[in-house]
Amino acid sequence: DAKTTQPNSMESNEEEPVHLPCNHSTISGTDYIHWYRQLPSQGPEYVIHGLTSNVNNRMASLAIAEDRKSSTLILHRATLRDAAVYYCILRRGGGKLIFGQGTELSVKP
Amino acid sequence: NAGVTQTPKFRVLKTGQSMTLLCAQDMNHEYMYWYRQDPGMGLRLIHYSVGEGTTAKGEVPDGYNVSRLKKQNFLLGLESAAPSQTSVYFCASSWLAGEVEQFFGPGTRLTVL
Repeated sequence: DAKTTQPNSMESNEEEPVHLPCNHSTISGTDYIHWYRQLPSQGPEYVIHGLTSNVNNRMASLAIAEDRKSSTLILHRATLRDAAVYYCILRRGGGKLIFGQGTELSVKP
Repeated sequence: NAGVTQTPKFRVLKTGQSMTLLCAQDMNHEYMYWYRQDPGMGLRLIHYSVGEGTTAKGEVPDGYNVSRLKKQNFLLGLESAAPSQTSVYFCASSWLAGEVEQFFGPGTRLTVL
């Protein structure tokens, strides 16, 4: 399975945008890019996913580089409730998610 | 809908004891998964099921067994618990494979002494 690389931690101020980067230089053409987040003491929750085009939903936006070797999760206005570990995951057919260590996002008031 | 529920929430075992963790989902999902999460780590897939009566191994299956006798339930068994199995266990389910989201339960914190 292709690997992703994320910074261990990032900080943000409340109500400011946050850009969480992810490198996946060995991505294959059939890999979808998924983002999940895990709030403290909870199970992971789905955030967004995409294949080639940028995607938006109510939680976030996903910007995918043209060569698909990197992507960025964008939280448009961070809140204290967005403090979590964010996982960038490449997913091929079969439904299996391979989690890395993720990026721990802290949000300062 | 309750979503994905897990029983129990916490458990302490002694080495060599056995136990079963229960996962239940009320979303009529075909796929179900068991993960473990060790401190400071991401989740690792133990076993999964693509439908009632079927199971398959994930990344770290050793020391665990699973059963999917009913579509809504996925059981994870530890026949002889070891301290290395101290972890938080998460169950998840999804409609299908591929690019659909997985829904996770709240987790079971297991300590093996």
